[in-house]
Amino acid sequence: EPEVTQTPSHQVTQMGQEVILRCVPISNHLYFYWYRQILGQKVEFLVSFYNNEISEKSEIFDDQFSVERPDGSNFTLKIRSTKLEDSAMYFCASSEDRVAHEQYFGPGTRLTVT
Amino acid sequence: ILNVEQSPQSLHVQEGDSTNFTCSFPSSNFYALHWYRWETAKSPEALFVMTLNGDEKKKGRISATLNTKEGYSYLYIKGSQPEDSATYLCAFNSGNQFYFGTGTSLTVIP
Repeated sequence: EPEVTQTPSHQVTQMGQEVILRCVPISNHLYFYWYRQILGQKVEFLVSFYNNEISEKSEIFDDQFSVERPDGSNFTLKIRSTKLEDSAMYFCASSEDRVAHEQYFGPGTRLTVT
Repeated sequence: ILNVEQSPQSLHVQEGDSTNFTCSFPSSNFYALHWYRWETAKSPEALFVMTLNGDEKKKGRISATLNTKEGYSYLYIKGSQPEDSATYLCAFNSGNQFYFGTGTSLTVIP
């Protein structure tokens, strides 16, 4: 069964460093998403991406964040200058279409900023 | 920021019992309501996507209903089994944002 994959599973970085989290969505899916969950808090929507551009983004997704689909398979989230409060589990998801379609989540990347 | 509430926060039931829990969301700007099943150390697994008021969806022993006018959805599990133990998460889609509840943690005792 096709699945969304994410690498790395755990990333430790120092405050101020740039990180890139990688995702490979399911191949025939058209919409891609990033979410995060800070420990003990709700899952939060960051951004959705369609047709090689950002479709929607939340208030969290400020200038420090960017997303890219550099080739036909990868979907990346870059955090330019990490802060301690960026420590969270980051989930990528993909769906065939936007509204009434299920989103398939990857296993997540745990980002720890020290 | 819109508020999505789930209740109860946690639930323990005996194997074979039926159970249900609630997701409450704003009744305005409704686009879709997603239900997920989330097992520990795994990623959320999609159960249902509901878009129309009065929608009822079923997958095996799990079903869900939707009332967009009053802003709630119920998830029902009939004849709970130990493998149903997980956190059940709902997410409200307002069209351009997704808002998650905190989840209901279900433990089914054999």
